[in-house]
Amino acid sequence: DTAVSQTPKYLVTQMGNDKSIKCEQNLGHDTMYWYKQDSKKFLKIMFSYNNKELIINETVPNRFSPKSPDKAHLNLHINSLELGDSAVYFCASSRLPEGYETQYFGPGTRLLVL
Amino acid sequence: GQNIDQPTEMTATEGAIVQINCTYQTSGFNGLFWYQQHAGEAPTFLSYNVLDGLEEKGRFSSFLSRSKGYSYLLLKELQMKDSASYLCAVSDSNYQLIWGAGTKLIIKP
Repeated sequence: DTAVSQTPKYLVTQMGNDKSIKCEQNLGHDTMYWYKQDSKKFLKIMFSYNNKELIINETVPNRFSPKSPDKAHLNLHINSLELGDSAVYFCASSRLPEGYETQYFGPGTRLLVL
Repeated sequence: GQNIDQPTEMTATEGAIVQINCTYQTSGFNGLFWYQQHAGEAPTFLSYNVLDGLEEKGRFSSFLSRSKGYSYLLLKELQMKDSASYLCAVSDSNYQLIWGAGTKLIIKP
């Protein structure tokens, strides 16, 4: 009965590689998000999709490309990984895109770039 | 610019009361959230305030003063399991969430 799930939970890879992280929510929500949490624990929004449409696209290198095949899934592809990409990436969802809606977070993907 | 300020770390004793403050300066205001994040886990929702005053939910209460740009989270009867980071987040005029850096709360026996 997992609400928001992400795979993989851990990802260790070499600089320059390309990797993908998958996210799925079974809450029937319209809106999904990708966040990056760095070593200082600061949670930073990267992207937000509402009903498969991109609505928030913060200043993120274009090596990061989100894809939403349907409103229950939001994947994140990262090209040419760099050391600074090492962080925890959280997927989240909310019923609607409005900021007063509670966001439900996935367990996180711990990415380590060597 | 938009800014959320919280203390970086606080320490309290099991069974005691602790108040975690959050001040904010944002372009517009559509509510303030508190989330709890245990080490190595995802943030989970604790409370949402949009009107001034105190909202109580069991051992946890959250207060908001919009005129002062200020909120606090009050935790009573502290338990060891309350050791976690507490994140303050504000919904701005565009209904986007602006997140604080979080307050790490350490509970000692």
